[in-house]
Amino acid sequence: NAGVTQTPKFQVLKTGQSMTLQCAQDMNHNSMYWYRQDPGMGLRLIYYSASEGTTDKGEVPNGYNVSRLNKREFSLRLESAAPSQTSVYFCASMGSGGAGEQFFGPGTRLTVL
Amino acid sequence: KNEVEQSPQNLTAQEGEFITINCSYSVGISALHWLQQHPGGGIVSLFMLSSGKKKHGRLIATINIQEKHSSLHITASHPRDSAVYICAVRSGAQKLVFGQGTRLTINP
Repeated sequence: NAGVTQTPKFQVLKTGQSMTLQCAQDMNHNSMYWYRQDPGMGLRLIYYSASEGTTDKGEVPNGYNVSRLNKREFSLRLESAAPSQTSVYFCASMGSGGAGEQFFGPGTRLTVL
Repeated sequence: KNEVEQSPQNLTAQEGEFITINCSYSVGISALHWLQQHPGGGIVSLFMLSSGKKKHGRLIATINIQEKHSSLHITASHPRDSAVYICAVRSGAQKLVFGQGTRLTINP
């Protein structure tokens, strides 16, 4: 049982480049989330998916797109990276019913130059 | 004003001391989470509670729904407890709202 996995762990991009962060969970969870964590800001929700086939914006969605490929996988895409997107990105999942714990991936440290 | 406020923001203590971290929130909630994040590390769920008190080893979490307040206690603190502790609340939809975190340092 791997839990929540994320790739890559580290990435450096130049301004304007694009990339996709991958996330997968093997706990059969319905809900999946993408957060960013910046110093002094706490965790902020970018997008979430309450179930396969649905996605919703969170607190800071601008500059990002997501795809819930299937129940296991939820990817985050930066179409044209900007220095303001330098951050640590965490994927998470949660069981059904909204009463479960959230399980977090190990994080992706992204630097945009 | 943030929906979830933690205090203190930073806490340094000596090994063995009793630690208390506080979390206040301003919205109705269905559950409150305490999370732990070690330096450079991932985020681990410690507790999820909607009422009363939970205990796991040396960690105790309490919540007072009427006062919109939760506390995380660590008994007999150890340097390995040094981490950032994050409070998060769920209010309705399947989303969490996070506090800023409390950075705890336990000196030997």
